[in-house]
Amino acid sequence: ETGVTQTPRHLVMGMTNKKSLKCEQHLGHNAMYWYKQSAKKPLELMFVYNFKEQTENNSVPSRFSPECPNSSHLFLHLHTLQPEDSALYLCASSQEGPNPGNQPQHFGDGTRLSIL
Amino acid sequence: AQKVTQAQTEISVVEKEDVTLDCVYETRDTTYYLFWYKQPPSGELVFLIRRNSFDEQNEISGRYSWNFQKSTSSFNFTITASQVVDSAVYFCALSDLSYGAGSYQLTFGKGTKLSVIP
Repeated sequence: ETGVTQTPRHLVMGMTNKKSLKCEQHLGHNAMYWYKQSAKKPLELMFVYNFKEQTENNSVPSRFSPECPNSSHLFLHLHTLQPEDSALYLCASSQEGPNPGNQPQHFGDGTRLSIL
Repeated sequence: AQKVTQAQTEISVVEKEDVTLDCVYETRDTTYYLFWYKQPPSGELVFLIRRNSFDEQNEISGRYSWNFQKSTSSFNFTITASQVVDSAVYFCALSDLSYGAGSYQLTFGKGTKLSVIP
């Protein structure tokens, strides 16, 4: 079983739909992340959860809503998305110490999201 | 200015050639961390190496080697005797504190797509 599992692998949705992306990590890590990867752009950090508490929100539109019920699971709830939101959404986890953010992150395979 | 610059967008080499992927970073912090990740076509980013700013020793791991030079703010990655399985997008990343007190944040470069031709 891979360390970080993301479902679904592919998602096609209309702009008025509501869907959720799921991420589960089996590594015992205490921090989880959502990234957006668009063509020809660097990976963009969206959200960071450290010990289940959201510590970063990089000016992400409110149509993206994260949820972290425990340190092993992370969700990204989607509603009324725009075509420019089509991208690969990657989840990652890491084991952070007193100064979080400097440890290697382990990534899932991503969810390829297409907005019609 | 970009914090992490990977000037090479795409590189193609013939199998068994050596190839160097360039990475230049920018930070005002004295303590920071540099990473390389590999993203094969399957999509998952695979962690390759992490260096902290106080350790300038070059590192070799099999066919992979990394050259960290603080004087030029560079952290280059060399693959020796490249193989087809090395074909992927390679990302350099910087983790520093400049986004806010007490919290490192990872910033990725745009990546270099490496194609190894048999």
